Amino acid sequence: DIQMTQSPSSLSASVGDRVTITCRASQDIRNDLGWYQEKPGKAPKRLIYTASSLQSGVPSRFSGSGSGTEFTLTISSLQPEDFATYYCLQHHSYPLTFGGGTKVEIK
Amino acid sequence: EVQLVESGGGLVQPGGSLRLSCVASGFTFSGNSIHWVRQAPGKRLEYVSGFSSSGDGTYYADSVKGRFTISADNSKNTVYLQMGSLRGDDMAVYYCARGVPPDVWGQGTTVTVSS
Repeated sequence: DIQMTQSPSSLSASVGDRVTITCRASQDIRNDLGWYQEKPGKAPKRLIYTASSLQSGVPSRFSGSGSGTEFTLTISSLQPEDFATYYCLQHHSYPLTFGGGTKVEIK
Repeated sequence: EVQLVESGGGLVQPGGSLRLSCVASGFTFSGNSIHWVRQAPGKRLEYVSGFSSSGDGTYYADSVKGRFTISADNSKNTVYLQMGSLRGDDMAVYYCARGVPPDVWGQGTTVTVSS
């Protein structure tokens, strides 16, 4: 199985901050990666697919980059509604595997 | 509206069985992969099982292989997850989701394993 290592596991940030989250794959997954936002009691919401494509309806402050084994999710200017947990997901091969999650908290 | 709705969760004793259902509306399964993903309390999201978009491939996490079975009834636009030999670490919210990476998710159904 492909292992996804996500960092950091948590971070504290202020509204307006630039936030970067990283995922590393244990092998080359090309650009077969998505990013999700999860809030308590709600289903995950897809933000990014194919590593860098923005999901329709998602604010442009979210962006994704990377290919191969290193990927990044960036929030250019953190907003109050962005405080949540973020996950990466590889879909290069089955079983699909998620990163461990990054909880973004208010500083 | 494109939607997935799960049902069938509940309380089951260790070693017991449960069948989850996922009903799709606003689209048909044909041409879409459908997956089950779970999240135990305080844990990361975990892939459980799924169908490929062609319908000829089924996939399982090692942790459920041999205990869980995924199936579909295309006439009802419904995917099932038959879960057997349930144990404590199967306790989670179970989501069904469409596509890879999944773009549409259900609201989840909760499975509690306890005596």
